[in-house]
Amino acid sequence: AQTVTQSQPEMSVQEAETVTLSCTYDTSENNYYLFWYKQPPSRQMILVIRQEAYKQQNATENRFSVNFQKAAKSFSLKISDSQLGDTAMYFCAFMKHTGANNLFFGTGTRLTVIP
Amino acid sequence: GAVVSQHPSWVICKSGTSVKIECRSLDFQATTMFWYRQFPKQSLMLMATSNEGSKATYEQGVEKDKFLINHASLTLSTLTVTSAHPEDSSFYICSAFHPGQSYNEQFFGPGTRLTVL
Repeated sequence: AQTVTQSQPEMSVQEAETVTLSCTYDTSENNYYLFWYKQPPSRQMILVIRQEAYKQQNATENRFSVNFQKAAKSFSLKISDSQLGDTAMYFCAFMKHTGANNLFFGTGTRLTVIP
Repeated sequence: GAVVSQHPSWVICKSGTSVKIECRSLDFQATTMFWYRQFPKQSLMLMATSNEGSKATYEQGVEKDKFLINHASLTLSTLTVTSAHPEDSSFYICSAFHPGQSYNEQFFGPGTRLTVL
């Protein structure tokens, strides 16, 4: 079974600063996908960034980047130059590469960007 | 592209009645859709996987007779909460798996808030 753990229920960051959200996971799979989703107050789930486990290079998407450590089963999200619109719940998620393609979500981190 | 809609966005019903929630992929065909449930300030919990033309696969602990799922076309899956009770009040979110993408991405609907009185 796959489990995803987010150990930070809440975090805050000053506008324009950088913040890192933690995520660890447990799996016996060798190949898989990892995602960070954002859920703003509207409740719409928005994909922030994704990482394929067989790729060693960390994914980046504008101000968002990840630190993927496969051996440690760690997948943290770094948000640079934080903006007020980044205020949201952030969920880390795992998906197998083959077979059932449902997502396993972590418990989420509520991020507040302070003006 | 890759838009998923849900209808209704919110619904209030009396205890004992049934409620149907629709999930549509607007600009792509989705052979697989997923239904999640989210309690306040909690994560998304997978309820079932909906496959077009076949029976849904339910997660352990989810009552299939209570949460009826029908995926009759490549663009529509429905979740019917039968004989709803206050404990069924929750936020229900669907997602659709887009087979045309080069990676496995699910696209999420905006969710449906169900309140059972």
